[in-house]
Amino acid sequence: SQTIHQWPATLVQPVGSPLSLECTVEGTSNPNLYWYRQAAGRGLQLLFYSVGIGQISSEVPQNLSASRPQDRQFILSSKKLLLSDSGFYLCAWSFGPSQSTDTQYFGPGTRLTVL
Amino acid sequence: AQKVTQAQTEISVVEKEDVTLDCVYETRDTTYYLFWYKQPPSGELVFLIRRNSFDEQNEISGRYSWNFQKSTSSFNFTITASQVVDSAVYFCALKSPLYNQGGKLIFGQGTELSVKP
Repeated sequence: SQTIHQWPATLVQPVGSPLSLECTVEGTSNPNLYWYRQAAGRGLQLLFYSVGIGQISSEVPQNLSASRPQDRQFILSSKKLLLSDSGFYLCAWSFGPSQSTDTQYFGPGTRLTVL
Repeated sequence: AQKVTQAQTEISVVEKEDVTLDCVYETRDTTYYLFWYKQPPSGELVFLIRRNSFDEQNEISGRYSWNFQKSTSSFNFTITASQVVDSAVYFCALKSPLYNQGGKLIFGQGTELSVKP
């Protein structure tokens, strides 16, 4: 069976500091990977998605970036955090392009507070 | 444009009551997918159901049931005999195939369900 991990679970960072959130998937190959952010108002917003190593698509312009250095690893980064980057970050995976319409399964999330 | 509307922001019921969570969607695609997710206080989104646009058959899973009606663009979720453990935020979501819009999920704003003992 497949599992998805995210770390850290919680993070408190000062404004202007860098950020690195990691997501890994086990039990499948060549998954589609996604980063979502959930703000305090509850809505979920897609930030990035990836259909393969080194292939990243950005949905929303911001000071965040994503990378996929390995097949089942997805990293969310920032060089300088803003207060508005606070939120709950969720990573998700789905089966690869051959089954591109399949369900997205979510990780446990990282709660980021920028002070 | 694609959009999902969950008009009920919060619902409060007493245990054993039945409750229906409404979901209305907008899309121009002929093929699309609808989902429901549950977000308990721990935060993780738990997948509940996926429904394809070409399959309007309603589905029942234990105390959960879903009513999909293309004519009214609705995909409502009913919990029968609610329990305290059902307390969570429930999200309805819409997805186009990957080759159309990157396969992203369009989420509604969620409905917070509180089941009191």
